[in-house]
Amino acid sequence: EAQVTQNPRYLITVTGKKLTVTCSQNMNHEYMSWYRQDPGLGLRQIYYSMNVEVTDKGDVPEGYKVSRKEKRNFPLILESPSPNQTSLYFCASSSLSGVEEYEQYFGPGTRLTVT
Amino acid sequence: LAKTTQPISMDSYEGQEVNITCSHNNIATNDYITWYQQFPSQGPRFIIQGYKTKVTNEVASLFIPADRKSSTLSLPRVSLSDTAVYYCLVGDVGGSQGNLIFGKGTKLSVKP
Repeated sequence: EAQVTQNPRYLITVTGKKLTVTCSQNMNHEYMSWYRQDPGLGLRQIYYSMNVEVTDKGDVPEGYKVSRKEKRNFPLILESPSPNQTSLYFCASSSLSGVEEYEQYFGPGTRLTVT
Repeated sequence: LAKTTQPISMDSYEGQEVNITCSHNNIATNDYITWYQQFPSQGPRFIIQGYKTKVTNEVASLFIPADRKSSTLSLPRVSLSDTAVYYCLVGDVGGSQGNLIFGKGTKLSVKP
């Protein structure tokens, strides 16, 4: 089954404790992206990757890091989480070639609470 | 990067046609227009995508005028299960520009 998986689905942590949210897709997609969703603000892009070893900032990259060492994985790293990073996070992937529609497939989301 | 503007909310009744318009005045030549649907506690799901004129699939139609500065998602004969948030996305999704900006979404409430 084609899917994007995220782990963990729920996480409560404390300020300053480094954490990683994993994202994996099994569709051989070139493009992967991280979004955060906050009430009233919609979906905002954090980082994206056009392919392996190619990453770039989205609209709200401060406080986050990413890496793309393998095509299927795109982890989101919070080196020193702060309460303003409490949010719902979504990972998404998309094919960039050989398709008629550029559809992003979204993961189920990770609800992060930083106290 | 094209920013989008959508109504915050809309109400409808079962069986009616619903049209949600998105404004994107500075859309670029290579930008596509894509609509997503999101239910609570789930990730967004692709509905339809277009570049110009009209696109129709089994669940919706997308109308794009010649100047491409707006687009309208049309949902025929909505049901209660269509209650969701609908997002408009404008961007060069298949090209070299990976920075994509979603609108803030339109919360559609369908009543019996």
